[in-house]
Amino acid sequence: AQKITQTQPGMFVQEKEAVTLDCTYDTSDPSYGLFWYKQPSSGEMIFLIYQGSYDQQNATEGRYSLNFQKARKSANLVISASQLGDSAMYFCAMREGRSYNTDKLIFGTGTRLQVFP
Amino acid sequence: DVKVTQSSRYLVKRTGEKVFLECVQDMDHENMFWYRQDPGLGLRLIYFSYDVKMKEKGDIPEGYSVSREKKERFSLILESASTNQTSMYLCASSLNPGQGGGYTFGSGTRLTVV
Repeated sequence: AQKITQTQPGMFVQEKEAVTLDCTYDTSDPSYGLFWYKQPSSGEMIFLIYQGSYDQQNATEGRYSLNFQKARKSANLVISASQLGDSAMYFCAMREGRSYNTDKLIFGTGTRLQVFP
Repeated sequence: DVKVTQSSRYLVKRTGEKVFLECVQDMDHENMFWYRQDPGLGLRLIYFSYDVKMKEKGDIPEGYSVSREKKERFSLILESASTNQTSMYLCASSLNPGQGGGYTFGSGTRLTVV
């Protein structure tokens, strides 16, 4: 069965430093998608970055990049030049299912990131 | 601005009450989802729907039911609320995988059952 694992319940990083949030996944489907979401204290889920299983290059979106290592089944999020506003809960998620009635998003347990001055 | 709207931000209900959580999307998405979020457990899928009047069980459907009478509206129903259903509930919608696109989430409903 598909599964997402985030082993870091909490992380601290100093402002302007880079931080890596870990995510490993398990699936037997060759076609899947990996997502990272940010959830500030206000509760909304903010989409950050997406990586498809067949994408040749690692995804990047501004200060966010996804370190995709397919053989190791890992999809770590790298945030460069951390800002105080990056303090939030971060969720890794996987989309598995190519047919319309099996498409769903499975989440990890999340990592709470705190950025300090 | 396209979005997913959940009718209540905070809700307090009594044990045994029937509770309706409403979710409406204006993006003409086929798929809609209900998750609950608990500390240390992340988001867990309760039910999802890929078409009007269609529904599929997620990982934790017990104690819940859903209704999708119109494409834009997906309701989560707690038939007889219990204290262990106190949680944050998040609704989301998406296009079919073949049409690309990601998921859009509502702001969440924090339900307390007393």
